[in-house]
This record gives sequence, structure tokens and C-alpha cells, in this order.
Amino acid sequence: GQQLNQSPQSMFIQEGEDVSMNCTSSSIFNTWLWYKQDPGEGPVLLIALYKAGELTSNGRLTAQFGITRKDSFLNISASIPSDVGIYFCAGHQAGGGNKLTFGTGTQLKVEL
Amino acid sequence: DGGITQSPKYLFRKEGQNVTLSCEQNLNHDAMYWYRQDPGQGLRLIYYSQIVNDFQKGDIAEGYSVSREKKESFPLTVTSAQKNPTAFYLCASSDQTGVLTKNIQYFGAGTRLSVL
Repeated sequence: GQQLNQSPQSMFIQEGEDVSMNCTSSSIFNTWLWYKQDPGEGPVLLIALYKAGELTSNGRLTAQFGITRKDSFLNISASIPSDVGIYFCAGHQAGGGNKLTFGTGTQLKVEL
Repeated sequence: DGGITQSPKYLFRKEGQNVTLSCEQNLNHDAMYWYRQDPGQGLRLIYYSQIVNDFQKGDIAEGYSVSREKKESFPLTVTSAQKNPTAFYLCASSDQTGVLTKNIQYFGAGTRLSVL
């Protein structure tokens, strides 16, 4: 099955820094989702995006639905140690039934 | 509390043995899903069910089986035919009634399966 291209694969940043990651595809999506997964746990939904160009925030997190509908971006401002984890994007395609396509994940590590 | 409960948290399988992973949800969601996650990789869909008594194969269904006899339950059996079962297994569900929100999947805490 298809997987979304997510980058970077991993990031090692200083506490307080801003973080950016993105997800790209060759296909058009009508919904983009961003999840965070802590070690040994299931992914937790952070932000849902439903419309091209949409910009949505959740606390220090901001995500955007790309204008082309083939990409999405997640930014984290002023990172803190609890931001550590793996961030996944997921997209839903029209005609895809109930299925989501997932990215390969961005592992975030924060240095104190 | 509403949510998705997976059990057990850790499971060990002996050679040639079938094991069953439990997934229960009290969110009244119609659709349920099983994913496999390997280290450093994304989620791969094993099986999904949109309604009771119906389910479809995902991308990696070989060596797995499921049933959906009740709306709240979607157990996954890892059969002896699955030669590389060691992985983290995640169950998810989604509410099909919302026009926009029907594509959001909510996940359980996962079951880690290892081979003895």
C-alpha cells in the first residue's frame, strides 16, 4: 500500500526551538490528520484539516493543508521535553472508503 | 470513560501457535481497523470493518484473521501462517456519522507481540 513521504525522518533539537515537518504525496487528499505517538502507546490525534489552505492551531502546534492538496505541514513552537515522540501525518482520499494513508513518521528528540 | 481498549499489552507467541488480540470500543463507532507497526515504520493496515458481520482485507492480511460479531468488538487472530508476527499492533475506530469527522481514526494503546 501507498505511504506518504514524511520529512525529516528524525530531528534532534534544543528545548525552546521551533520545529517544522511536512508530508507530501503524488495524490490529492481531502483530509489531512496529524498524530503524535509516545513510546509504547497508540497515536493521539493532534490536528485535523479539511480544506485546502486551511491553517489550524492547537496550542503550540499549527498545521496547514497545502494549496495543492498534495501536502501538509506541522509546526511546533517553543519545543519542550514532552514534545518528544513520533509525529505521523495521515491523509484520506476521495473514493478511499474509510481508509487512511499514513506517513512514515518524524521522530522528535528534544535536548534540554 | 469512552475509548478503545486493547488487551493484553504484551503477548508472547510460541512457534505454530495462534494468538488472539482483543480490541473493544465504547465509542459507538461503526468502523474498526487493525494496523501493524514495525520499528521505524508507519502503520500498515491489516483488516478493517465498516459494519457488524462485515470486514475487508487491508494491505497485509496474509496470516491474520478477524471477526466482527459485535459493534464494540473486533478481535484479531495472528495465525501460525504469519511467519514474522513480532510487531506492535494497533486497533482503531472511526465514527461514520459525521461528514467531515468520519475520516478521523482513534487508536487504542496497542499490543506488543513477540515470538518465543
